[in-house]
Amino acid sequence: QSALTQPPSASGSPGQSVTISCTGTSSDVGGYNYVSWYQQHPGKAPKVMIYEVSKRPSGVPDRFSGSKSGNTASLTVSGLQAEDEADYYCSSYAGSNDLVFGGGTKLTVL
Amino acid sequence: QLQLQESGPGLVKPSETLSLTCTVSGGSIRTNSYYWGWIRQPPGKGLEWIGSIYYSGSTYYNPSLKSRVTISVDTSKNQFSLRLSSVTAADTAIYFCARLPWFGLLPTLTFDYWGQGTLVTVSS
Repeated sequence: QSALTQPPSASGSPGQSVTISCTGTSSDVGGYNYVSWYQQHPGKAPKVMIYEVSKRPSGVPDRFSGSKSGNTASLTVSGLQAEDEADYYCSSYAGSNDLVFGGGTKLTVL
Repeated sequence: QLQLQESGPGLVKPSETLSLTCTVSGGSIRTNSYYWGWIRQPPGKGLEWIGSIYYSGSTYYNPSLKSRVTISVDTSKNQFSLRLSSVTAADTAIYFCARLPWFGLLPTLTFDYWGQGTLVTVSS
């Protein structure tokens, strides 16, 4: 069970869109539609932004969207706002009741 | 509103056993189809799933930690606990407890309620 691969950093200007990738294998991301995305501000607990690849919990702005193609899932943040600056982590079900996280991406709003 | 709170020693000596407890309030740990999990985050690094438990005692562990991890539940106290044996400096991390809706519940297999986390340092 290896961690999912995310780019260490991403950035965009206010109002722009940015996409963060999360690459796994056919045993996790590619094999199941149970990919989640979490937002974590410094010193805080993670907060779920996306679950089951593309579903948003109530209260999460529709600026956040998720998708998946093959073994790679993506989180897109549209209309970037200053408060979107945070670390983002993906996670996936990996079969046999295992879960795996990505290494995290630091999103900077320029 | 469901709340989770981690508690336990903030400092553990190398080779000893790390023990933490998560107290759940505002809801029952004996709720069908919800697992309860532990996740850790070394300072400045990413998240790592440690394991999860059902109120019946059914457990699932990260294969990379399985030989050293025990998660247990005390439904009478609405708590679940983590024990990690033979710790080293690499186990220094913020440890979070969280709720995990299982298949059939939303958000499926996604940690939806989290504790604030507790820093555990492994040092002599």
